Amino acid sequence: AQSVTQLGSHVSVSEGALVLLRCNYSSSVPPYLFWYVQYPNQGLQLLLKYTTGATLVKGINGFEAEFKKSETSFHLTKPSAHMSDAAEYFCAVTDSWGKLQFGAGTQVVVTP
Amino acid sequence: NAGVTQTPKFQVLKTGQSMTLQCAQDMNHNSMYWYRQDPGMGLRLIYYSASEGTTDKGEVPNGYNVSRLNKREFSLRLESAAPSQTSVYFCASSDRGYVKLFFGSGTQLSVL
Repeated sequence: AQSVTQLGSHVSVSEGALVLLRCNYSSSVPPYLFWYVQYPNQGLQLLLKYTTGATLVKGINGFEAEFKKSETSFHLTKPSAHMSDAAEYFCAVTDSWGKLQFGAGTQVVVTP
Repeated sequence: NAGVTQTPKFQVLKTGQSMTLQCAQDMNHNSMYWYRQDPGMGLRLIYYSASEGTTDKGEVPNGYNVSRLNKREFSLRLESAAPSQTSVYFCASSDRGYVKLFFGSGTQLSVL
């Protein structure tokens, strides 16, 4: 069985500062990895995904993530935070049966 | 451009009452899913339907039933609501497995 661990349930960043959200996974098979974002009172929407190929993937709104197999990590970054980035972010991984396993989520607060 | 539509958006039930959450998608997707979201636990899969005419249990199916009425609609029924089912429920759909899920805006359910 696979699992997803997001380090830090809440992250506070200053506007213009680096956003770094950490995600580690365990999987017995090569994983597909995802980051989803949830804005207040909305459903989740896909930020980016890694399936195969290039390990650095770029998503919407300036976010990117790097798949590091040796570290079993898929950390999400954005060089410069914007107020509109305030949201909850979920890392997710597929298991061998193709079902998504979500992490517990990281709430991002952006301060002026 | 509706995407995934869930009704109702809010619901309060008394213990033992029943209700059905409705979900419809207009993207001609094959697969549909029901998740529940609880604080600190991310999203957990209740039931899914890989294609019209099929349904399967997810991680937390107890106390729920589903119906894939047609390709567009996938409903979730609580036969006898319990306080432990207080949660936010999300319906999602996808064209090809878990490569990209599209989520509805959620139903906030309280069971007293």
